[in-house]
Amino acid sequence: NAGVTQTPKFRVLKTGQSMTLLCAQDMNHEYMYWYRQDPGMGLRLIHYSVGEGTTAKGEVPDGYNVSRLKKQNFLLGLESAAPSQTSVYFCASRDGQVLGNQPQHFGDGTRLSIL
Amino acid sequence: DAKTTQPNSMESNEEEPVHLPCNHSTISGTDYIHWYRQLPSQGPEYVIHGLTSNVNNRMASLAIAEDRKSSTLILHRATLRDAAVYYCILRDRGSTLGRLYFGRGTQLTVWP
Repeated sequence: NAGVTQTPKFRVLKTGQSMTLLCAQDMNHEYMYWYRQDPGMGLRLIHYSVGEGTTAKGEVPDGYNVSRLKKQNFLLGLESAAPSQTSVYFCASRDGQVLGNQPQHFGDGTRLSIL
Repeated sequence: DAKTTQPNSMESNEEEPVHLPCNHSTISGTDYIHWYRQLPSQGPEYVIHGLTSNVNNRMASLAIAEDRKSSTLILHRATLRDAAVYYCILRDRGSTLGRLYFGRGTQLTVWP
């Protein structure tokens, strides 16, 4: 079972470069999330999506854009990378039943360094 | 969203039980208590959740205080693979978004 797959696993960028992180899930989940995790910290929500074609801002959205053109994919873009965006990025997905108790399923992360 | 308080770190020996505490004194009546763990270099992994009654699954047990202001995650026999950061998180039962608010969690060290 693939679950949630993130690509790439590692990337080094120079300041000002752009890139897209891809998240793919094969569980037919409605909800998808992008988090970032900085050293010694918990995860913080960047953007999320409640279904194909919809996206919304989380608590730390500045400097990022997202798209959900297909239900199984959730893309996170950095238009002009900054050193403050050096972090580990996690994608998660969840079944879209009304009661919010279904667990979130996480990928193994993308480790991004910006020089 | 109601906050949780956990110890920064705990230690255990292999094959011994581990009790990981969590305080959530401002919990509301509609909040579920969720536990996730994060192994080194991996994404968080769901462990267990509950509302009022104690819960058991293949990974762990969750003991919830009668007043719901605290809970304890119980690993019955710790293994080296259980070394991880454990997060106690409250989630509103009525929330359709189901977002998770991660604190710093408890770093569990397991000694052989």
